[in-house]
Amino acid sequence: AQSVTQLGSHVSVSEGALVLLRCNYSSSVPPYLFWYVQYPNQGLQLLLKYTTGATLVKGINGFEAEFKKSETSFHLTKPSAHMSDAAEYFCAVNRLGNYGQNFVFGPGTRLSVLP
Amino acid sequence: KAGVTQTPRYLIKTRGQQVTLSCSPISGHRSVSWYQQTPGQGLQFLFEYFSETQRNKGNFPGRFSGRQFSNSRSEMNVSTLELGDSALYLCASSQGLAGVQTQYFGPGTRLLVL
Repeated sequence: AQSVTQLGSHVSVSEGALVLLRCNYSSSVPPYLFWYVQYPNQGLQLLLKYTTGATLVKGINGFEAEFKKSETSFHLTKPSAHMSDAAEYFCAVNRLGNYGQNFVFGPGTRLSVLP
Repeated sequence: KAGVTQTPRYLIKTRGQQVTLSCSPISGHRSVSWYQQTPGQGLQFLFEYFSETQRNKGNFPGRFSGRQFSNSRSEMNVSTLELGDSALYLCASSQGLAGVQTQYFGPGTRLLVL
């Protein structure tokens, strides 16, 4: 069975500081990896995804993530945090099953940005 | 294109009642998945529908059911509501074709069971 862990349920950074949100996965087959962001009282918005090819993936709002197979990790980073980045972030793994899709989400990391 | 829409946005029910939630996918998307989000359990997969057929199912009791119509719109039903069913229910759509698909989420329906 595949699973996703996110180290740190709550991360606080100062405005302008580096954002690093950690994601590790377990999967018996090559995974497809996603990061989603959820703002209060809203659904999930796709930040970026890795399927195949280049292991460094760039997403929206200045975020990027690097797939490291040897470390089974897909950490999310942003060089300089902005107040508007405060939200909850979810890492997800998707493996195409025999029929349809099987998305498994991590528990989420709440990011606070301090002025 | 319009995004995924869910109705209603908020709902209050009492224990024992039943509830039906609706989801309209992005135009052209044929796959609809449902998730339950709670503070304690996080995001949990309920089921996925594609071309009016349930294609995947999570580990939820039979009180949770769904269906999909020919226009890809989907409904989710919860019968005999329990306090623990209070949650944000999220719907996501994707094209549903071969290969891994990106899921696009709606704003959710917040259900409160009293």
